[in-house]
Amino acid sequence: QLQLQESGPGLVKPSETLSLTCIVSGGSISSTSYYWGWIRQPPGKGLEWIGSVFYSGSAHYNPSLKSRVTISVDTSKNQFSLKVSSVTAADTAVYYCARHSGSGYSYSYNYWGQGTLVTVSS
Amino acid sequence: EIVLTQSPDFQSVTPKEKVTITCRASQSIGSNLHWYQQKPDQSPKLLIKYASQSISGVPSRFSGSASGTDFTLTINSLEAEDAATYYCHQSSSLPLTFGGGTKVEIK
Repeated sequence: QLQLQESGPGLVKPSETLSLTCIVSGGSISSTSYYWGWIRQPPGKGLEWIGSVFYSGSAHYNPSLKSRVTISVDTSKNQFSLKVSSVTAADTAVYYCARHSGSGYSYSYNYWGQGTLVTVSS
Repeated sequence: EIVLTQSPDFQSVTPKEKVTITCRASQSIGSNLHWYQQKPDQSPKLLIKYASQSISGVPSRFSGSASGTDFTLTINSLEAEDAATYYCHQSSSLPLTFGGGTKVEIK
């Protein structure tokens, strides 16, 4: 059974860089069959797509965040990562990693991590 | 960017009632519309993919349909465990977007 687990600091200072990792178990991130993604949810609000990445490193980003976001893949560790630079309080959210159900961003998300709350505060 | 407008925002329903949630896309997205259920303090769970395709393990009372840019999630005979927020999601074009959510409360 595929499992995804987010890890990273729960508190980040304003203007610093938020860094999270999604550890994948029960399946290989190098599979050519799937895209992997990050989605976030501010407290009490809806879901926002951050970006999606293929094992090759090819990534697509939400234009609203593109200048501050980098998603990368480490196939040797079977994980993928998210970096958001110059964070503000508006970046406070539960961050989810997830797997698309196919080899492109056009597929639904059929596996999700449990989510991790990141608070931006001094 | 494709905007997904869900209605209603909130619905209070008696068990065994039928629930209908609508998601309207701002432009044509074909059938690239998916539905998720999110219970408090849990991650979203895929309920329906590509507007009307069922997902293994999801109860048959959940179904989806489409008419043009209007998509509907139907819960037949609501059960107490269905209390959750439901989101639609389009994967037709980037950026991927989600609807604002519909919270279903059990009376």
